[in-house]
Amino acid sequence: DTGVSQDPRHKITKRGQNVTFRCDPISEHNRLYWYRQTLGQGPEFLTYFQNEAQLEKSRLLSDRFSAERPKGSFSTLEIQRTEQGDSAMYLCASSGPRLAGTDTQYFGPGTRLTVL
Amino acid sequence: AQSVTQPDIHITVSEGASLELRCNYSYGATPYLFWYVQSPGQGLQLLLKYFSGDTLVQGIKGFEAEFKRSQSSFNLRKPSVHWSDAAEYFCAVGYNDMRFGAGTRLTVKP
Repeated sequence: DTGVSQDPRHKITKRGQNVTFRCDPISEHNRLYWYRQTLGQGPEFLTYFQNEAQLEKSRLLSDRFSAERPKGSFSTLEIQRTEQGDSAMYLCASSGPRLAGTDTQYFGPGTRLTVL
Repeated sequence: AQSVTQPDIHITVSEGASLELRCNYSYGATPYLFWYVQSPGQGLQLLLKYFSGDTLVQGIKGFEAEFKRSQSSFNLRKPSVHWSDAAEYFCAVGYNDMRFGAGTRLTVKP
């Protein structure tokens, strides 16, 4: 399968712990996006990368959230000092270079975080 | 500011009936518009997109959508619904930082 993959699929943690999620984009895609989806809502944009450059991060929810894409391939999203309100599905998407027909974001299955 | 409104939280249709899901958007420039579908436990799947050109766009699974600039709408339609179409449908606007609507949950009655 050459789609977007995310690991883990489920994560249960205790309040105050740090968690890290991984996303592997479609191999030829140079852009990678992170979204959060809470119950009954649509996805909410968090941040995105073009290659290894993080081009938008102002919409990360707080300074407890950070993302990296060190080699322009996979990415990680870290949440420090988790809170119960962080419980949500975290989605990753990727898209190709800005050419006609390749701008579509393809989504992974998500990582469901539960903070106890 | 960009925003998307899906006025219908939940719609129920009978199998074989036609379907229209509404989407209204607010966007400062020519919008890039999308419809995605999400089934339980599944990721978001793109149904169709509009970037420019013909305002009636065809997508997968027999869906189509029409962009109406004067009404700021991008409604999704299907002439005959199948039981497998039951899912959550999301309209989205934007480019890199997409804004999604809250979704419309579709139930299909036998």
